[in-house]
Amino acid sequence: GENVEQHPSTLSVQEGDSAVIKCTYSDSASNYFPWYKQELGKRPQLIIDIRSNVGEKKDQRIAVTLNKTAKHFSLHITETQPEDSAVYFCAATLSGGYQKVTFGTGTKLQVIP
Amino acid sequence: KAGVTQTPRYLIKTRGQQVTLSCSPISGHRSVSWYQQTPGQGLQFLFEYFSETQRNKGNFPGRFSGRQFSNSRSEMNVSTLELGDSALYLCASSAGWGLAGEPYKNTGELFFGEGSRLTVL
Repeated sequence: GENVEQHPSTLSVQEGDSAVIKCTYSDSASNYFPWYKQELGKRPQLIIDIRSNVGEKKDQRIAVTLNKTAKHFSLHITETQPEDSAVYFCAATLSGGYQKVTFGTGTKLQVIP
Repeated sequence: KAGVTQTPRYLIKTRGQQVTLSCSPISGHRSVSWYQQTPGQGLQFLFEYFSETQRNKGNFPGRFSGRQFSNSRSEMNVSTLELGDSALYLCASSAGWGLAGEPYKNTGELFFGEGSRLTVL
């Protein structure tokens, strides 16, 4: 089955700096890669996703890149703000199939004001 | 639209007991997935139901089971509770990718409930 590894497990950055979270996946059949953000005590929510036919996607201060050959994908947050502090989960799945999403173990991001 | 509702939000059980958790998905969503969240382990997939059928199951022992009703509401059950079952159990609903030919929006987004926090003593 699919296995998703996520690094780092914790990340502290100064407000205004950039943050990068990296994930690798094992199943070459996976073609949909969402990122979820979970604030303390709240439910995970989708913040951005990318499909395997796209190499990069941006949404304001966040961007995701995908390298299918290396089975790597990354989340980039620029100009970090205190409200970006949360746990971020990457995930991989096969679109169009059963809804089985494999998540990484999460990255706790702390943005220091 | 109302979001995903999970009950109960908190519960405490002792080893050997069983527990049933409930999830009401977003209206119109037919796919319901369950995840176990523990510190350091992230979100681990338990199972997914679509139109009352379990379509996929994660690597959990048979003590973990679930079902889905005709109104898409889902329940999961854990029997013979162990200390290691203490976790936040999250339910997520999705419009689903749909089967071939079905007119579902192909988003795949999971909408999570707030979770049921289970403590086993």
